[in-house]
Amino acid sequence: EIVLTQSPGTISLSPGERATLSCRASESVSSSYLAWHQQKPGRAPRLLIYGASIRATGIPDRFSGSGSATDFTLTISRLEPEDFAVYYCQQYGSAPQYTFGQGTKLEIK
Amino acid sequence: EVQLVEFGGGLVQPGGSLRLSCSASGFTFRRHALHWVRQAPGKGLEYVSAINSDGSSTYYADSVKGRFSISRDNSKNTLYLQMSGLRTEDTAIYYCVKDVTGGYYVFDYWGLGTLVTVSS
Repeated sequence: EIVLTQSPGTISLSPGERATLSCRASESVSSSYLAWHQQKPGRAPRLLIYGASIRATGIPDRFSGSGSATDFTLTISRLEPEDFAVYYCQQYGSAPQYTFGQGTKLEIK
Repeated sequence: EVQLVEFGGGLVQPGGSLRLSCSASGFTFRRHALHWVRQAPGKGLEYVSAINSDGSSTYYADSVKGRFSISRDNSKNTLYLQMSGLRTEDTAIYYCVKDVTGGYYVFDYWGLGTLVTVSS
């Protein structure tokens, strides 16, 4: 099973700042099959990024993903108030043995 | 608009059974694989089970194998999760998730979830 480790666990930033979230895999993720999901309290999670860097439909371009093999990054260029949430990385390279990272909470400073 | 609505959650005693349902709309149900993902209170996401578009292939996480059974009715646009031998550690919100393809690939839409509480 591929273990995904996200860092930091919590990050405190202000609107307008840049956020950089990390996801590290215990082994190489096949074909960069890495996705990012956003979860807000009481809301359904939402797909942001798949294929490590492809934005899902309707996702603003302030969200970008990068990386390959074992190291991946989600960057939010300029934080908007609605971006404060929990972010999960997920690998699907070994589907259906999907795994998620433990999450990074992005909170308002 | 894609909608996934889960129901059937509730309070059940350890060792008991429960069947979750997920009613889907806004897409061609029979063409897409579906998944169940759960989230224990205050915890992260845990993958549970998958079924391909025609129901011929299923997958279970080790934590639920032999106790849970996933199925679908393409004539009713509904996904099911039959849970038996429930344990306190199965307490979680259970999300129904749509796949982009008929096989196992990217999750593109999630439901709001239904809460299952296993307690005596």
